[in-house]
Amino acid sequence: GENVEQHPSTLSVQEGDSAVIKCTYSDSASNYFPWYKQELGKGPQLIIDIRSNVGEKKDQRIAVTLNKTAKHFSLHITETQPEDSAVYFCAASYVGNEKLTFGTGTRLTIIP
Amino acid sequence: DGGITQSPKYLFRKEGQNVTLSCEQNLNHDAMYWYRQDPGQGLRLIYYSQIVNDFQKGDIAEGYSVSREKKESFPLTVTSAQKNPTAFYLCASSSRTGIRETQYFGPGTRLLVL
Repeated sequence: GENVEQHPSTLSVQEGDSAVIKCTYSDSASNYFPWYKQELGKGPQLIIDIRSNVGEKKDQRIAVTLNKTAKHFSLHITETQPEDSAVYFCAASYVGNEKLTFGTGTRLTIIP
Repeated sequence: DGGITQSPKYLFRKEGQNVTLSCEQNLNHDAMYWYRQDPGQGLRLIYYSQIVNDFQKGDIAEGYSVSREKKESFPLTVTSAQKNPTAFYLCASSSRTGIRETQYFGPGTRLLVL
């Protein structure tokens, strides 16, 4: 089955700087890659996703890049703000499969 | 207000007791899921259901049971056979039309053992 590894497990970034979180996946059939943000005591919220027919997707300060050959994808947050502090999870699946495999999460702390 | 609701927010279980966690959605989604989240770990799939009256085991189904009698409801029972039930439980749903893979999560239920 699919295995998703996520790094780093914790990340501290000065406010205004950029943050990058990386994930690798094992199943070459995977072609759907969402990112979730989870605030303390709450359920994860989808913040961006990408499918394998594109290499990059951007939504304001958030972007995701995908390298299918190397089987890795990354989340980029620019101009970080205190409200970006949370745990971020990556996941992988393939179109038509309703099961997501999640990474172990990255705790992002924005330092004011 | 459209979304997924879970209740209760906190639940306490005594030794040998079965407890049931509620999950309701008004998104008209066909598929629903239960995940378990432990500190420092990712989400692990317990059970999922793609359609009413049908469900499948996930990766860690032992000690849990579910039912799917209505499209909007997918309750999870943590049985006494689950020896380490303390965790944060998350329910999610997705549509089987359109972007089927995108899952939306509820606010979670934290289960504690007395």
